[in-house]
Amino acid sequence: GDSVTQMEGPVTLSEEAFLTINCTYTATGYPSLFWYVQYPGEGLQLLLKATKADDKGSNKGFEATYRKETTSFHLEKGSVQVSDSAVYFCALRMSQGAQKLVFGQGTRLTINP
Amino acid sequence: ETGVTQSPTHLIKTRGQQVTLRCSSQSGHNTVSWYQQALGQGPQFIFQYYREEENGRGNFPPRFSGLQFPNYSSELNVNALELDDSALYLCASSLDQQPQHFGDGTRLSIL
Repeated sequence: GDSVTQMEGPVTLSEEAFLTINCTYTATGYPSLFWYVQYPGEGLQLLLKATKADDKGSNKGFEATYRKETTSFHLEKGSVQVSDSAVYFCALRMSQGAQKLVFGQGTRLTINP
Repeated sequence: ETGVTQSPTHLIKTRGQQVTLRCSSQSGHNTVSWYQQALGQGPQFIFQYYREEENGRGNFPPRFSGLQFPNYSSELNVNALELDDSALYLCASSLDQQPQHFGDGTRLSIL
């Protein structure tokens, strides 16, 4: 079945460091890809998305490019802030059938000042 | 615009009991999905409703059931609660194939 694998955490960085969180997927068709962020005690917030190969999603300094050839959607940010500390989830959604999201296990990110 | 709201925020039940969780969709959204998020895990899809009809179901037993109302709000019902049902239950709404917007969830603890 469809699945998402994320880089295991936790990840701890210093403020202004470069961030990469790896995400790869397995799907029978051509999914849309998403990154969601979850702050403590809250639900998930959509961070960015890409709907087809070579699309780049971006928001709040975060970027991810849909790479069909490597089935990847890695999340990057050039200079992280303490406020970026959260759990990040990569997810896919197929275009056929129910619009369900399939999530990775999440990566906890902590940014130290 | 009003976002997705869920109630209650926290709930404690005992094994064998039944529970109903509620979700109000974001204004203008016609699709509601429910997810179960165990501690330290990613959310798992339970089911989805589109215009009051079930539109897909994940790998959950029949004791997990749901409803969507004409105003597109929704309920998740779980019967015969088990210890493993302890989790954060998330509701998400969307308009057709647009991205899903999540509520803050209901934390369910089973004793």
